[in-house]
Amino acid sequence: NAGVTQTPKFRVLKTGQSMTLLCAQDMNHEYMYWYRQDPGMGLRLIHYSVGEGTTAKGEVPDGYNVSRLKKQNFLLGLESAAPSQTSVYFCASRGSTGRTESNQPQHFGDGTRLSIL
Amino acid sequence: RKEVEQDPGPFNVPEGATVAFNCTYSNSASQSFFWYRQDCRKEPKLLMSVYSSGNEDGRFTAQLNRASQYISLLIRDSKLSDSATYLCVVNVRTGRRALTFGSGTRLQVQP
Repeated sequence: NAGVTQTPKFRVLKTGQSMTLLCAQDMNHEYMYWYRQDPGMGLRLIHYSVGEGTTAKGEVPDGYNVSRLKKQNFLLGLESAAPSQTSVYFCASRGSTGRTESNQPQHFGDGTRLSIL
Repeated sequence: RKEVEQDPGPFNVPEGATVAFNCTYSNSASQSFFWYRQDCRKEPKLLMSVYSSGNEDGRFTAQLNRASQYISLLIRDSKLSDSATYLCVVNVRTGRRALTFGSGTRLQVQP
């Protein structure tokens, strides 16, 4: 089972360039998330989605945009990359099954290591 | 105050030792709890859910104390392969429907 797949796994950008990170899940999960992880900071939620066609801001949304046009895909865009966005980006998904929703864990992709020069 | 707080460590223990981590959470409306494990430069992976009555999975035991708002993880007979960062994770029922992650406690098991 593929689970959650992130592409690309590594990328180096120059300041001001744009790019899109792709997350795909094959578990039919309703909820999807984008996090960034920096040394000593833990996981910080950038944006999330509770269903196809819906997105919302997390803790650190500035400089990022997202789209969820299809249930299985969640895209994270950087319109004008800045060195402060150098980080490891993780996508995650989570199921929604009514009464047991609160017990559902999140499943993570392998991460995308992004460096902005 | 952070929603989920953990001692960052590192905890350096010899093989075979028993080690325990605690985690405190601030929101009394928290509903469910997990421990995740994260290896260096890898994605977090679910280690175990934490149930109110406490639960065990092999060498790992998790406990929840709702009154004091803390969660613990006990690892018995530590192995070298247990070396990792352990993330305490809490689900607070909000519109966000996202889990809240602690910053992690680093464990280093030494031969």
